[in-house]
Amino acid sequence: GQQVMQIPQYQHVQEGEDFTTYCNSSTTLSNIQWYKQRPGGHPVFLIQLVKSGEVKKQKRLTFQFGEAKKNSSLHITATQTTDVGTYFCAGRGGKLIFGQGTELSVKP
Amino acid sequence: DGGITQSPKYLFRKEGQNVTLSCEQNLNHDAMYWYRQDPGQGLRLIYYSQIVNDFQKGDIAEGYSVSREKKESFPLTVTSAQKNPTAFYLCASSIGSSGGTDTQYFGPGTRLTVL
Repeated sequence: GQQVMQIPQYQHVQEGEDFTTYCNSSTTLSNIQWYKQRPGGHPVFLIQLVKSGEVKKQKRLTFQFGEAKKNSSLHITATQTTDVGTYFCAGRGGKLIFGQGTELSVKP
Repeated sequence: DGGITQSPKYLFRKEGQNVTLSCEQNLNHDAMYWYRQDPGQGLRLIYYSQIVNDFQKGDIAEGYSVSREKKESFPLTVTSAQKNPTAFYLCASSIGSSGGTDTQYFGPGTRLTVL
């Protein structure tokens, strides 16, 4: 069945360092969504990518959708303590499947 | 103020008891979902409903039941048949197939602990 794998599971960075999380699907996706969950909170929608090779930016966050529409990445430039949380990808194949998430901690 | 509400925030139950988690939305969304989140794991789909009076099993439906009698409400019952019910439960909604998108809007969640 459809699977969505996300790596790494945890990432600890010094404030100001960059951060990247990767999402890989076993099947071709029609779209991929990214969510952020702050500690103790609930997931909040960040962005949706639909087109092959699509790149979208939100301030220091850059989202990419692979050419084959089977992988995606989220890159944060110059992390801040406000970036702390767990980042989830969710791929839509036949249904929406969430990755396991990457938990980001930022040391001031 | 539109959104999704879940109650209660924390819930304790004795082993062998059924418990119902509330989920209400005033976003006028057609679709609603229940997810379970365990530490270090992603969100696993329990049940979903695309329209009133209809719902479908997700990946981990065993030991759970739902109803969708009103568009705004999608309560989840955790039955005594659920072998490991302690978890964080998240309700979500989306516009639905008619809206052409399934962006999930999540409620604040209910943390269930079985004693």
